[in-house]
Amino acid sequence: KAGVTQTPRYLIKTRGQQVTLSCSPISGHRSVSWYQQTPGQGLQFLFEYFSETQRNKGNFPGRFSGRQFSNSRSEMNVSTLELGDSALYLCASSAGTGFQETQYFGPGTRLLVL
Amino acid sequence: KNEVEQSPQNLTAQEGEFITINCSYSVGISALHWLQQHPGGGIVSLFMLSSGKKKHGRLIATINIQEKHSSLHITASHPRDSAVYICAVRSYNTDKLIFGTGTRLQVFP
Repeated sequence: KAGVTQTPRYLIKTRGQQVTLSCSPISGHRSVSWYQQTPGQGLQFLFEYFSETQRNKGNFPGRFSGRQFSNSRSEMNVSTLELGDSALYLCASSAGTGFQETQYFGPGTRLLVL
Repeated sequence: KNEVEQSPQNLTAQEGEFITINCSYSVGISALHWLQQHPGGGIVSLFMLSSGKKKHGRLIATINIQEKHSSLHITASHPRDSAVYICAVRSYNTDKLIFGTGTRLQVFP
């Protein structure tokens, strides 16, 4: 099976712009979670989607949003970019939402905001 | 104080040494994960624990629910084990993953 894929892998934007990142989960996986990783804050949970519904959300401002499509692919959007949004954005997929589920991570999208 | 604390933050070892990385947490959990992140960013899930002990090759993970503590052990360490090891807990109350800050391990030949 192909792994989790994320596009684009690298992105440079300027303050005030918006960005959309894409994540394709492992075939058959219905749960997709998004995480932000920065040198200062480490890894932080953004959101989790299951069967097109947002199941859980982290403590991020409303500028961060996401959605999941019927084929389980997911997108996250960040509007009105700030310098502090520069980070590695990781998505992970799992077959279900149980706490015993193993998460499989994608390679990440590295976003630089200038 | 962070809800998930790891120690040490940095670790240097010679090839063949036995390595221990510790993780303590302060919230009620339903599961604990150990993750490995190599330079370049890719993350691999090593273990998911809710009790006891698990072993995979040279890696062993243990958890003590009463003491809210987990350890990751690497036996006969190898330079390819060099990576950042991250402990993450799934909060029982919020069902969200909370991450430790990671332990950077370097193994020299």
